[in-house]
Amino acid sequence: DGGITQSPKYLFRKEGQNVTLSCEQNLNHDAMYWYRQDPGQGLRLIYYSQIVNDFQKGDIAEGYSVSREKKESFPLTVTSAQKNPTAFYLCASSTGTKNIQYFGAGTRLSVL
Amino acid sequence: GDSVTQMEGPVTLSEEAFLTINCTYTATGYPSLFWYVQYPGEGLQLLLKATKADDKGSNKGFEATYRKETTSFHLEKGSVQVSDSAVYFCALSDPNTGNQFYFGTGTSLTVIP
Repeated sequence: DGGITQSPKYLFRKEGQNVTLSCEQNLNHDAMYWYRQDPGQGLRLIYYSQIVNDFQKGDIAEGYSVSREKKESFPLTVTSAQKNPTAFYLCASSTGTKNIQYFGAGTRLSVL
Repeated sequence: GDSVTQMEGPVTLSEEAFLTINCTYTATGYPSLFWYVQYPGEGLQLLLKATKADDKGSNKGFEATYRKETTSFHLEKGSVQVSDSAVYFCALSDPNTGNQFYFGTGTSLTVIP
């Protein structure tokens, strides 16, 4: 089955630690996205990538970093510079022809 | 800039009641419009979409019509079920901004038996 896989489902971060959230897709989509969702709020764009080896900052990129070395993978690192990382993180992908975003099941990050 | 405004929740309805969730948008171009649904602890799933004025998107008994004159895309369902309880997001994609997506803040719906 084609889809987007995010792992882990739950993640805990200690203070001062960097953590990486995985996002893999087998839909052959060119574009991939990372969003942050806080309780009762909408989605805020962190980073997006339209093509391999290229990515752009979204609205709230500070304290986060990404890479796009393969078409299928778009990992997100939450660095120690992100002082309030507790949130639900969603990865999405899209293809230019259909212009629909497809989402993974999300990773819930909490701070210990 | 582009934006989406949807009615605030939470919304609580009895089973078989009529549902309307309002959504209006601001866009520089001619956007595509979407409704996504999120069940607890999950990602977003596409519910329906419309790509041009007067298009009607429909799926699973839900409908929404792209109204350019009122810049609206209200979600409706004639008879809700308990299984429709979820958070609903209105969104737009604007070709003038590289098809970037803009999401509303979401409307939580609870349907009680």
